[in-house]
Amino acid sequence: AQSVTQLGSHVSVSEGALVLLRCNYSSSVPPYLFWYVQYPNQGLQLLLKYTSAATLVKGINGFEAEFKKSETSFHLTKPSAHMSDAAEYFCAVSDRGSTLGRLYFGRGTQLTVWP
Amino acid sequence: KAGVTQTPRYLIKTRGQQVTLSCSPISGHRSVSWYQQTPGQGLQFLFEYFSETQRNKGNFPGRFSGRQFSNSRSEMNVSTLELGDSALYLCASRIGEDQPQHFGDGTRLSIL
Repeated sequence: AQSVTQLGSHVSVSEGALVLLRCNYSSSVPPYLFWYVQYPNQGLQLLLKYTSAATLVKGINGFEAEFKKSETSFHLTKPSAHMSDAAEYFCAVSDRGSTLGRLYFGRGTQLTVWP
Repeated sequence: KAGVTQTPRYLIKTRGQQVTLSCSPISGHRSVSWYQQTPGQGLQFLFEYFSETQRNKGNFPGRFSGRQFSNSRSEMNVSTLELGDSALYLCASRIGEDQPQHFGDGTRLSIL
């Protein structure tokens, strides 16, 4: 089974600072990778996805993530944090080539943005 | 285009009761998956349905069941509710095998 590790359950940054949320996966075959964001009392919103194209993936709201096979990582970054970015972020993987729609999630990282 | 719709948004039940949650996927999406989210266990996969057939199931007891209808709408049922079933239940749909899942806002189930 796949597993996902998100380093740091809480990350705090100042408004305008760099956001870096870490995600590592365990798989011998590069899986499909996703980042989702969850605001209070809401479901998960897709930020970006990596399937097999460019290793640097751009998503919504200025976020991007880089797939690094050698490090089995898919870290999420944003150059300048905004107050509205405060939320919980989840990294998820699914098996490449599988018809099965199962996602394996990390435990999440709560992002706090200070004014 | 409407997103994934889950009803009801909130439910309060007592131990021993049963509950049915509903999910309407995005139009054209035939795959529906269900997840349970709790503070202790995080996000856990329950099952996936495609064309009215369950094709994948997570590690949950048989009290958790689901079905999908011909219009792709899905329901999940939990029988003999336990306190530990209190959670946010999320439904997600997708259009294709290499496409991401899109989530609804969930049903928050509280067991008293």
